[in-house]
Amino acid sequence: GAVVSQHPSWVICKSGTSVKIECRSLDFQATTMFWYRQFPKQSLMLMATSNEGSKATYEQGVEKDKFLINHASLTLSTLTVTSAHPEDSSFYICSARSPTGGIDTQYFGPGTRLTVL
Amino acid sequence: AQTVTQSQPEMSVQEAETVTLSCTYDTSESDYYLFWYKQPPSRQMILVIRQEAYKQQNATENRFSVNFQKAAKSFSLKISDSQLGDAAMYFCASSLVGGAQKLVFGQGTRLTINP
Repeated sequence: GAVVSQHPSWVICKSGTSVKIECRSLDFQATTMFWYRQFPKQSLMLMATSNEGSKATYEQGVEKDKFLINHASLTLSTLTVTSAHPEDSSFYICSARSPTGGIDTQYFGPGTRLTVL
Repeated sequence: AQTVTQSQPEMSVQEAETVTLSCTYDTSESDYYLFWYKQPPSRQMILVIRQEAYKQQNATENRFSVNFQKAAKSFSLKISDSQLGDAAMYFCASSLVGGAQKLVFGQGTRLTINP
């Protein structure tokens, strides 16, 4: 149980284009999902908290107009990188929160590697 | 604010031996959750073990166990009978109970298993 998928697993795009990444909880409903960014050899950096049916909460320093988050259902959250630039190239990871075993636990997707040319 | 510190950037252990990864944290809350995640080369974050702060008993999951010292704010991970598949980056993390329950991660410890 508690499986999270992420699509695509990798994407290459041209500078100035937009890219959408999907995060799905496959066997549970998640009212809350999270989006992270991870630079090489570093820890995960939380970008935003995605709540079903409401606006996402962004961490300080994260541009909400650049990283659009939509959580339209209890099993799907999307992250759209708008007008992507090379500095947006990174590994993006989503997670979904599940109260399995009585402890609210985040289960992670496999990540999406974004390369902006 | 919560903070999590992993003071060992790298650790290595012989296959079949036991290794302990250190983690300390700081929080002003009395109730919270603690986690260990591993990130192998595939970069998939995998839950290893978790602990509720109000439970005194140390969590155990097969070869993985924790030593939770609440007063010292320490949450170390012990891996027994290390296997080659245990090689990964290990992250210690904490979250509060209730609210957004955001995870705060440590810097990570890279574990190498020597055959």
